Amino acid sequence: DAGVIQSPRHEVTEMGQEVTLRCKPISGHNSLFWYRQTMMRGLELLIYFNNNVPIDDSGMPEDRFSAKMPNASFSTLKIQPSEPRDSAVYFCASSLSLAGGEETQYFGPGTRLLVL
Amino acid sequence: AQSVTQPDIHITVSEGASLELRCNYSYGATPYLFWYVQSPGQGLQLLLKYFSGDTLVQGIKGFEAEFKRSQSSFNLRKPSVHWSDAAEYFCAVAAGGYQKVTFGTGTKLQVIP
Repeated sequence: DAGVIQSPRHEVTEMGQEVTLRCKPISGHNSLFWYRQTMMRGLELLIYFNNNVPIDDSGMPEDRFSAKMPNASFSTLKIQPSEPRDSAVYFCASSLSLAGGEETQYFGPGTRLLVL
Repeated sequence: AQSVTQPDIHITVSEGASLELRCNYSYGATPYLFWYVQSPGQGLQLLLKYFSGDTLVQGIKGFEAEFKRSQSSFNLRKPSVHWSDAAEYFCAVAAGGYQKVTFGTGTKLQVIP
């Protein structure tokens, strides 16, 4: 299995620009998660999708952040406009949600974002 | 709400020595517990998980963890550390429902020759 695929792996942009991060979950998985990792705040859950539907977006920091999952094999996280404090590593994870709740999240390699 | 505490931010061990990384959780019922490892510049890789059953869980790379309900702990152990084990280790807890996972702040492991 190819695992969770994220692109780009690195992104450097200037403040005010739009940034789009992409994720392809593991085939057959029905749940997808976006996380942000920083030194100060650790690993934070931003948003969770189940069967392509956003279930919990309470972790999205503000309206500048948006996420979509148009189909089972693709998701995007968009930041518009970007700010220096958005600099972080963004991880996508996917899992197979089964009745009974036993599931394991598998993480992608992350996108390292630097906003200047 | 569930929470996870990893009391050790940084640990240094000698290669070949034994290792124990501490993890304490807070959750009202039996939680789902995980240990992940993150090498520099990499994503998180699952080492092992506990959902139910035997409280001693075996994972990859020679790691094991023991769930102790009375102590609300899920410590990670390895009998002999290799230099390639140097990484950051995250303990995580999940409740029921959609499995919202809460991660600890991580423990950085340094391995010296």
